[in-house]
Amino acid sequence: GAGVSQTPSNKVTEKGKYVELRCDPISGHTALYWYRQSLGQGPEFLIYFQGTGAADDSGLPNDRFFAVRPEGSVSTLKIQRTERGDSAVYLCASSLYGDTQYFGPGTRLTVL
Amino acid sequence: EDQVTQSPEALRLQEGESSSLNCSYTVSGLRGLFWYRQDPGKGPEFLFTLYSAGEEKEKERLKATLTKKESFLHITAPKPEDSATYLCAVQPQGGSEKLVFGKGTKLTVNP
Repeated sequence: GAGVSQTPSNKVTEKGKYVELRCDPISGHTALYWYRQSLGQGPEFLIYFQGTGAADDSGLPNDRFFAVRPEGSVSTLKIQRTERGDSAVYLCASSLYGDTQYFGPGTRLTVL
Repeated sequence: EDQVTQSPEALRLQEGESSSLNCSYTVSGLRGLFWYRQDPGKGPEFLFTLYSAGEEKEKERLKATLTKKESFLHITAPKPEDSATYLCAVQPQGGSEKLVFGKGTKLTVNP
């Protein structure tokens, strides 16, 4: 039974570049969540999907951030025109019934 | 605004020295309260879900309790391998399933 997987595990980019972060949820989980965690802080909610649609995107900080889940399984978080303040660990989680969320290992994004 | 406050920020214990971590929360309505363990460089690992005041859950040396205002994570006779950051999160009632996290308590257990 594979857990949530995220790729890449580390991403280093330059300010102004575009990045994509991928999340593979636990098989059969219908809900998928994205969080961002800065050093010394708890995870901060970004967006979540129920199936293919974004059910709540209220945590996306601005319009440079966008996420998709076209087939209701894998999701991609897209960040345009990256800024140094975007540097953080991006966590993905999935859930079967909308209560307990199981997290992946995260992608550490560094914007130089 | 939904808010979670964890205390202390950091805690050092000797092996076998029992203690408790606190999670205070304010929400308009509580769907569930969650405890996670996070090791350095890893994602949060699920420990417990509590749904109503008075509820308790146990797993090995850990016991979580819930009141209307706070939750406690009791650690009995801890071992060095219990060293980690413990995160508390609430899921408010309403349409969204998002979790609101505290900043965590970093626990170090010395042998």
